[in-house]
Amino acid sequence: KNQVEQSPQSLIILEGKNCTLQCNYTVSPFSNLRWYKQDTGRGPVSLTIMTFSENTKSNGRYTATLDADTKQSSLHITASQLSDSASYICVVSEGRGLSNFGNEKLTFGTGTRLTIIP
Amino acid sequence: SQTIHQWPATLVQPVGSPLSLECTVEGTSNPNLYWYRQAAGRGLQLLFYSVGIGQISSEVPQNLSASRPQDRQFILSSKKLLLSDSGFYLCAWSGGYGPATQPQHFGDGTRLSIL
Repeated sequence: KNQVEQSPQSLIILEGKNCTLQCNYTVSPFSNLRWYKQDTGRGPVSLTIMTFSENTKSNGRYTATLDADTKQSSLHITASQLSDSASYICVVSEGRGLSNFGNEKLTFGTGTRLTIIP
Repeated sequence: SQTIHQWPATLVQPVGSPLSLECTVEGTSNPNLYWYRQAAGRGLQLLFYSVGIGQISSEVPQNLSASRPQDRQFILSSKKLLLSDSGFYLCAWSGGYGPATQPQHFGDGTRLSIL
């Protein structure tokens, strides 16, 4: 059964500090891994998407890494801001080749709830 | 630019009542459309997806149904709601063609409470 597990479940850090969120998956075959940010009461917003051949991808202060051999990913947030308070969701897509036919199989993690305190 | 709209934002319904949630996308053509449910403490669960008008695929057998009467309109319905239908419902779209690394873009969801 495909699974995506995230840790920690919740995290509280001081504004300005860095943090790293973890994601382990068992999805096979692997197509890509995505990180989403979800503010309370809102829909998720895509941060990064990485394919098998990509080890790292950045989006501003967010840097995602991928180790496809160990099936692990991390999301590193640098110099955290109060607006970073949100849930961060790791999502893994099964291999569907080059075409997106709308039926890609996504497995969602339950997210890490990050709280930044001033 | 593309935008996605969901309404209503919140809804409180009695058990046994009907349901209709609407989602529309602007600024793109032939999108793939999705309905998800997010329960507290659980990952998003795909309910339905559609690759075109009138084409609906169901992922999970349940008390809900979906329809796509127009290219950029996706509707989630139920004839009789159950308590277990409570949750946060999200609509999403992605590009219709191209590499599988296209992100899905989510609406802001509908919080459904069944009493």
